[in-house]
Amino acid sequence: EDQVTQSPEALRLQEGESSSLNCSYTVSGLRGLFWYRQDPGKGPEFLFTLYSAGEEKEKERLKATLTKKESFLHITAPKPEDSATYLCAVQARAGGTSYGKLTFGQGTILTVHP
Amino acid sequence: DTAVSQTPKYLVTQMGNDKSIKCEQNLGHDTMYWYKQDSKKFLKIMFSYNNKELIINETVPNRFSPKSPDKAHLNLHINSLELGDSAVYFCASSQERAGGPYNSPLHFGNGTRLTVT
Repeated sequence: EDQVTQSPEALRLQEGESSSLNCSYTVSGLRGLFWYRQDPGKGPEFLFTLYSAGEEKEKERLKATLTKKESFLHITAPKPEDSATYLCAVQARAGGTSYGKLTFGQGTILTVHP
Repeated sequence: DTAVSQTPKYLVTQMGNDKSIKCEQNLGHDTMYWYKQDSKKFLKIMFSYNNKELIINETVPNRFSPKSPDKAHLNLHINSLELGDSAVYFCASSQERAGGPYNSPLHFGNGTRLTVT
């Protein structure tokens, strides 16, 4: 069974204090690893997809990296508006079609204080 | 324009009642999903439909019945509601290609918070 574990569960940072969120996963053949951001009362918002070990993607202050066992979401010089829950999810190869079945982690609640 | 819209946003009902949640997407996607987010914030897939055909049906009680009248709509009907059904239900859509290497990301609605009393 596919599993995703995120750490820490909660992270408090001062504005400008860089840090990383971790996503450890086990999957029977990775088709893709996804990062989402979720604000209170909202649905998850897509950030990145990573497909293979060594791949990196960046968007503003966020950078996602991938190894064979984990992914990191690096946040550089965060601002209060980066406060949200960050979700990691994996999609496994399954007979050539998996139709978006994502296995999610429990998320990391990030709070950035001004 | 909202890409994936769900109604209602909040639903409070008593045990034993039957209720429905509606979802519509205007992204032109072929695949739609229902996910459940429990109190611990875990998101778990319940169903997925591709072009009105049921593709994924996770271990969900028979009381839950999805219906897709067309590829832009996916509704969720719940019979005989129980306390444990209280959660946030998210609809999502994506443009999947069978066997394709490329995954289009899921686009989520803003959820329906169901409270069963």
